Amino acid sequence: AQKVTQAQTEISVVEKEDVTLDCVYETRDTTYYLFWYKQPPSGELVFLIRRNSFDEQNEISGRYSWNFQKSTSSFNFTITASQVVDSAVYFCALCGSARQLTFGSGTQLTVLP
Amino acid sequence: SQTIHQWPATLVQPVGSPLSLECTVEGTSNPNLYWYRQAAGRGLQLLFYSVGIGQISSEVPQNLSASRPQDRQFILSSKKLLLSDSGFYLCASGQGNSGANVLTFGAGSRLTVL
Repeated sequence: AQKVTQAQTEISVVEKEDVTLDCVYETRDTTYYLFWYKQPPSGELVFLIRRNSFDEQNEISGRYSWNFQKSTSSFNFTITASQVVDSAVYFCALCGSARQLTFGSGTQLTVLP
Repeated sequence: SQTIHQWPATLVQPVGSPLSLECTVEGTSNPNLYWYRQAAGRGLQLLFYSVGIGQISSEVPQNLSASRPQDRQFILSSKKLLLSDSGFYLCASGQGNSGANVLTFGAGSRLTVL
């Protein structure tokens, strides 16, 4: 069985602060994929990033960066210089040999002006 | 790119009434289709998925059912709603059977059972 844990239920930061959203996963698969999705107030989930288990290089996309560490089974997401528009629920997800996405419970990020 | 349409967007139904939520997909053919439920607390639970017309797999036993009458149409139904069926229902579409596939989600249908 696979599991994704997002221990931070809610985070509030002030605009321009950096914030890191934690994601810890469990799986027995050697090949798997990790995802981050954003759910703005409108409701639909928006894809942010996908990583496979063999690629541990960190990735940066604008203000977003991701730190994948297999040794600690973590796939953390950092937003630099946060903006009000970053306010949303963020989901980490895992897909392994069962080929179904397992989502974490999400982290509600609120960026205050 | 894919576009997913879900309706109704909001629904308030009494306990014991029937339910029909519809999802249609544009911009792709032969997609894998999924129904997820997001209850209070925000976790996403996979309810059903379908790899083709008439092919439905259920992940969680419950009083809901799903059907796929056409390639790009996925319907979530219930004959008698329970209070516990309240939640936010999301339809998603993906291609192929690889774990690398990115899902595209619809805007969701919010169901309140009273």
